[in-house]
Amino acid sequence: QKEVEQDPGPLSVPEGAIVSLNCTYSNSAFQYFMWYRQYSRKGPELLMYTYSSGNKEDGRFTAQVDKSSKYISLFIRDSQPSDSATYLCAMSGGFGNEKLTFGTGTRLTIIP
Amino acid sequence: DGGITQSPKYLFRKEGQNVTLSCEQNLNHDAMYWYRQDPGQGLRLIYYSQIVNDFQKGDIAEGYSVSREKKESFPLTVTSAQKNPTAFYLCASSSTGGSQPQHFGDGTRLSIL
Repeated sequence: QKEVEQDPGPLSVPEGAIVSLNCTYSNSAFQYFMWYRQYSRKGPELLMYTYSSGNKEDGRFTAQVDKSSKYISLFIRDSQPSDSATYLCAMSGGFGNEKLTFGTGTRLTIIP
Repeated sequence: DGGITQSPKYLFRKEGQNVTLSCEQNLNHDAMYWYRQDPGQGLRLIYYSQIVNDFQKGDIAEGYSVSREKKESFPLTVTSAQKNPTAFYLCASSSTGGSQPQHFGDGTRLSIL
């Protein structure tokens, strides 16, 4: 079993819809959680960075972490065609255990 | 503009040849990383360095080598011992102290001739 599981998709939704992307993990030591967006033939771009459980909002993006369920989510409101990309979750254990463990990525297409 | 520059964007390797991928950052980050990305797999860590003149193996270091002579630079050599080098290679950097997020360059795609 992988430490981080992420549905690879592909996921297609109409423009304007709310998108929900998710990852589950097995290592209870993970404390820092990140979401990256990766366009084709480009490097990952950091979207959200959260610590421990709770919600964080940045514009149209909301990250949720539920450590009790070992489950993290990224919500995209009012989705745009420019949101079409692969979304990677990543997590680490914090000081002394800073290595990032990545999900395999979910490919998202927003249909105009 | 601060960022991470990887070059070349595309690279071709002949059998038995070593090739070197360049990574330069002007973010004043102490830590730098090399990852390999293959279709359907997450990013896998090859090597990382938290300080100049020091580096550690990641999960898939065999067939690769690195150096860290300057804070800004962390080149990766793919040696002839790496039998399956075709992949997308990503360099990242971060501040140290706690678990700081990593920032990535735009990658080098390596293919076999």
